[in-house]
Amino acid sequence: QLHLVESGGGLVRPGGSLTLSCVASGFKLEDHYMGWVRQVPGKGLEWISFISSTGVTKYYGDSVKGRITISRDNAKNSMQIQMNSLRGEDTALYYCTRGGKYDRKSDAFDLWGQGTMVTVSS
Amino acid sequence: SYVLTQPPSVSVAPGETANINCGGNNIGDKSVHWYQQRPGQAPVVVIYSNTDRPSGIPERFSGFNFGNTATLTISRVEAGDEADYYCHVWAGFTDLVRFGGGTKLTVL
Repeated sequence: QLHLVESGGGLVRPGGSLTLSCVASGFKLEDHYMGWVRQVPGKGLEWISFISSTGVTKYYGDSVKGRITISRDNAKNSMQIQMNSLRGEDTALYYCTRGGKYDRKSDAFDLWGQGTMVTVSS
Repeated sequence: SYVLTQPPSVSVAPGETANINCGGNNIGDKSVHWYQQRPGQAPVVVIYSNTDRPSGIPERFSGFNFGNTATLTISRVEAGDEADYYCHVWAGFTDLVRFGGGTKLTVL
């Protein structure tokens, strides 16, 4: 069975930092683009980042650019996102997603984790 | 920036057909994917690459993309189809990944 499991969410003060992790099982992470999508409770989906299969190419959404860094460890079948200078508007459920094989950026996100909640509040 | 526009809500009676549109400038030139998100659950892709259906998704789900509008069609709607639906595209190297705002499908 194919699974993505996120961890690392929690309560953090404004201006603080947090690292989210995603571990894959049932498939080789190294074959795929991987990414993160977040969702404020009751609101829509917002893509925030993805990373190519080798980790060389990284893309970020405008709302998080300069404040987050995405990385991956294919040997551990895992991916991380380091988030800095967190703001109240970063409060959301963060989903790990599997993208296209062979670095096809236009492919669907065909596998999603259950998400990890990040709450930014004083 | 590239914007995808979806109606906030669509309502249909059981057994009827639901059409959910996703509007974008020349979206017909892009590959559109559709996700279903039931309350409290992660999104699931129901249509990818405009018209393709993943295994396990009923044939009642279909997609079409031409011009400035992509459409997700759900035939013979059932109560279990009630969910939020999102469209998604790779909008290119400037706008990167875009999601539509989502459409809440209500089965009357």
